[in-house]
Amino acid sequence: AQSVTQPDIHITVSEGASLELRCNYSYGATPYLFWYVQSPGQGLQLLLKYFSGDTLVQGIKGFEAEFKRSQSSFNLRKPSVHWSDAAEYFCAVAIDYKLSFGAGTTVTVRA
Amino acid sequence: NAGVTQTPKFQVLKTGQSMTLQCAQDMNHNSMYWYRQDPGMGLRLIYYSASEGTTDKGEVPNGYNVSRLNKREFSLRLESAAPSQTSVYFCASSPLSDYKNIQYFGAGTRLSVL
Repeated sequence: AQSVTQPDIHITVSEGASLELRCNYSYGATPYLFWYVQSPGQGLQLLLKYFSGDTLVQGIKGFEAEFKRSQSSFNLRKPSVHWSDAAEYFCAVAIDYKLSFGAGTTVTVRA
Repeated sequence: NAGVTQTPKFQVLKTGQSMTLQCAQDMNHNSMYWYRQDPGMGLRLIYYSASEGTTDKGEVPNGYNVSRLNKREFSLRLESAAPSQTSVYFCASSPLSDYKNIQYFGAGTRLSVL
């Protein structure tokens, strides 16, 4: 059974517009959640993480994510997208000392 | 800072050939991981090494072997490559085998098996 679901395979957004990427998880215990970004031809870079406490977490590059336990979600947001944000984004949950990744969402930024 | 270095970056094999993917980290991390990335499937864990001298199977270990050569290096071997092993392979490392520890990724090895 898949632990992390990213419902959107591909999103296109205009430069300067807001972006929201969805992530839903299925895990019985308190989840430890991550968002990673993969630029074309590159490895993965951590954007932000949630372990506990404040449900709104800030990350690098102007991204933030909100953990909602009632909805089993950890959605990623950015108020104003830059062309350099074009990449693939992965949500992940830590299970038994390992990371389980979603299938990813590809973001295209149009001028 | 090199971080996690993977070699080679690209490789083409014929079915049945063998090869070893190399990974080295210079961050003095204890734990290392090998993933494969396939379209629409995210990253799937092949093998991991929680600490020097230990290795464990991940989600998709069949057809692969690993060696934790020392604290810095963790290699992945394909003994008899199959077309189903065409993928992008990522190595990662983290300070400890703890889900709270961030994993740092290499740039990947793109492997095609014909």
